[in-house]
Amino acid sequence: ETGVTQSPTHLIKTRGQQVTLRCSSQSGHNTVSWYQQALGQGPQFIFQYYREEENGRGNFPPRFSGLQFPNYSSELNVNALELDDSALYLCASSLVGGRAREQYFGPGTRLTVT
Amino acid sequence: DAKTTQPTSMDCAEGRAANLPCNHSTISGNEYVYWYRQIHSQGPQYIIHGLKNNETNEMASLIITEDRKSSTLILPHATLRDTAVYYCIVRARVGGDKLSFGAGTTVTVRA
Repeated sequence: ETGVTQSPTHLIKTRGQQVTLRCSSQSGHNTVSWYQQALGQGPQFIFQYYREEENGRGNFPPRFSGLQFPNYSSELNVNALELDDSALYLCASSLVGGRAREQYFGPGTRLTVT
Repeated sequence: DAKTTQPTSMDCAEGRAANLPCNHSTISGNEYVYWYRQIHSQGPQYIIHGLKNNETNEMASLIITEDRKSSTLILPHATLRDTAVYYCIVRARVGGDKLSFGAGTTVTVRA
């Protein structure tokens, strides 16, 4: 296990609702990245947070937003949920300035939008 | 980031070496080769990375060709627990930590 935790494990929401997913990074890590993984596909980069600011974003609309807190934990917020938002949401932590900068992933939150 | 090409799937016998190929013909000089794997219903797990020299750790070995256009991940003694999707990713060490995952190779280790 990596030490990265995510909550909740599973979530069911209705189209049009809003959702907040949470991530606690591995101890000593200062950067959090979020990924969306649709069924049968590889994870797709949503955005990254470093020093509480967004530090890179993938091809996702503004209704996907995030926060990073002083303790380096993070939230992913998705507004106006669509059916296609159903996916596994993964967060990964890393250490900027670390030797290899490999990312350590949490177990994910499975979001189902009905 | 450079694109990678991997076989869709491969089988391997338990206890034998598994050799996973990856083509990255457009890799640039500052890009590293990273390997991650994802066991069913879990988050991806870092395996190994390299620039141009061969690398080995407790999980695997990474062999990169001299022209850096392809590489091979070697699992020396595959076990049933190595059944997973394996992703080969190339990215620069600078410019952020974004990982661009493709479809990966589904490796099935059989008893």
